[in-house]
Amino acid sequence: GAVVSQHPSWVICKSGTSVKIECRSLDFQATTMFWYRQFPKQSLMLMATSNEGSKATYEQGVEKDKFLINHASLTLSTLTVTSAHPEDSSFYICSARGGTGRGAQYFGPGTRLLVL
Amino acid sequence: QKEVEQNSGPLSVPEGAIASLNCTYSDRGSQSFFWYRQYSGKSPELIMSIYSNGDKEDGRFTAQLNKASQYVSLLIRDSQPSDSATYLCAVNRPMDSNYQLIWGAGTKLIIKP
Repeated sequence: GAVVSQHPSWVICKSGTSVKIECRSLDFQATTMFWYRQFPKQSLMLMATSNEGSKATYEQGVEKDKFLINHASLTLSTLTVTSAHPEDSSFYICSARGGTGRGAQYFGPGTRLLVL
Repeated sequence: QKEVEQNSGPLSVPEGAIASLNCTYSDRGSQSFFWYRQYSGKSPELIMSIYSNGDKEDGRFTAQLNKASQYVSLLIRDSQPSDSATYLCAVNRPMDSNYQLIWGAGTKLIIKP
């Protein structure tokens, strides 16, 4: 149980394009979904928290107009990186929390984004 | 003081020995504690959760929680080379309705054959 999928797993795009990443909870309803970014050999960095049907809450320093988050249902959240630039190249990982489990987050496999 | 502190390592342990990973946290209001394993290039995987003082065992893994000392640890018995990974300690942010987690920077564990 508690399986989270994420697509695509790899994206290579040109600078200035937009990239959409999907995160789905496959066998549970996700009360909350989280989006993280991780640079090589660095810690997880929380970008934003989203609840179904609500606007996402962004962490300080994360541009909400650049990283658009939509949490349309209890099983799907999307992150769109708009007008991507090389400095946006990173490992983007989503996680989902169910209604039970007292905060346990289950992670998707992550998406590697390379902006040329 | 960091909210969740872990020794970054690397911690090198011979195969078959017990690996002991430690974590301290700063907010006494935290109630949920988690250990995640992250292999290089992969996303984190939940391996243990603990909510009350004492020990919790699951196979070769034992999580220990001491709220008075604000300390949580993970023991891995009979360590295997496949246990080589970075282990992340995470603690819930008190009073956060979304149960946001506060993350340690992780301890890199190396099991030597």
